[in-house]
Amino acid sequence: KNEVEQSPQNLTAQEGEFITINCSYSVGISALHWLQQHPGGGIVSLFMLSSGKKKHGRLIATINIQEKHSSLHITASHPRDSAVYICAVAGNQFYFGTGTSLTVIP
Amino acid sequence: DAGVTQSPTHLIKTRGQQVTLRCSPKSGHDTVSWYQQALGQGPQFIFQYYEEEERQRGNFPDRFSGHQYPNYSSELNVNALLLGDSALYLCASSPSPFWNTGELFFGEGSRLTVL
Repeated sequence: KNEVEQSPQNLTAQEGEFITINCSYSVGISALHWLQQHPGGGIVSLFMLSSGKKKHGRLIATINIQEKHSSLHITASHPRDSAVYICAVAGNQFYFGTGTSLTVIP
Repeated sequence: DAGVTQSPTHLIKTRGQQVTLRCSPKSGHDTVSWYQQALGQGPQFIFQYYEEEERQRGNFPDRFSGHQYPNYSSELNVNALLLGDSALYLCASSPSPFWNTGELFFGEGSRLTVL
C-alpha cells in the first residue's frame, strides 16, 4: 500500500495547455512538498505546503488537509516544463509518490 | 553560494562490498537527509541527521548507517551490498531544526551500481 498516490502517471500536453497533477495521501502530515526532477536525477523543490494555496510564476499548488489531497497546476505550459513531478509528504517519516512524467510538445 | 554537493557522482561496487557516500549541505543548513531512488521509482527516505544525531529513520535495514560531522556534512554508509542496492542516492539539506517542516534542497545524487 502506497501512502502517497499520484495521478496521472504520464501526461502529454500541447504547449500552452493548462495542466493539473493530483496527489492523494493516507497519513497525517505536517507538510507536503512538490518536487521537479529532470532526466539525470537532480531534484528541485517547487513548493512546500501545510495549508491553502501557493503560487510561483506559472505554477500553483493547493492542498486540502481534510480531504488529504493536493494539486499542482501549470498554466500556459511550455516544453521546458517537461520533467517528472513528485509529491512527497512529511508524516512520521517522508513518503514519496512515484511521480508524474510530463511531456509538453511544442 | 554553493548548493548541496554530493560525491562521488557515479560508482560501481560488487556484492558484499561496503560503500560510503558523502554530502555537503547548502551553506547555513544544519539538517541533512538521505534518500534512495531506484530506477523508475520515487525516492524513499533513509534517514535524517541533525546536530550530529540520527533524528528520524525510514524503513531501511541496519546495513544503512550514517554520520554527521560538526561542519554539518554527512556520510551514508551501506554495508554488505546487495544487487538491489543499485540506485540513485540523494542527499537533501534543510535550514529547519524541525525534521519535517523545512524546505528541502537536493544534491545531484550519487549513482551506485552493484554488480
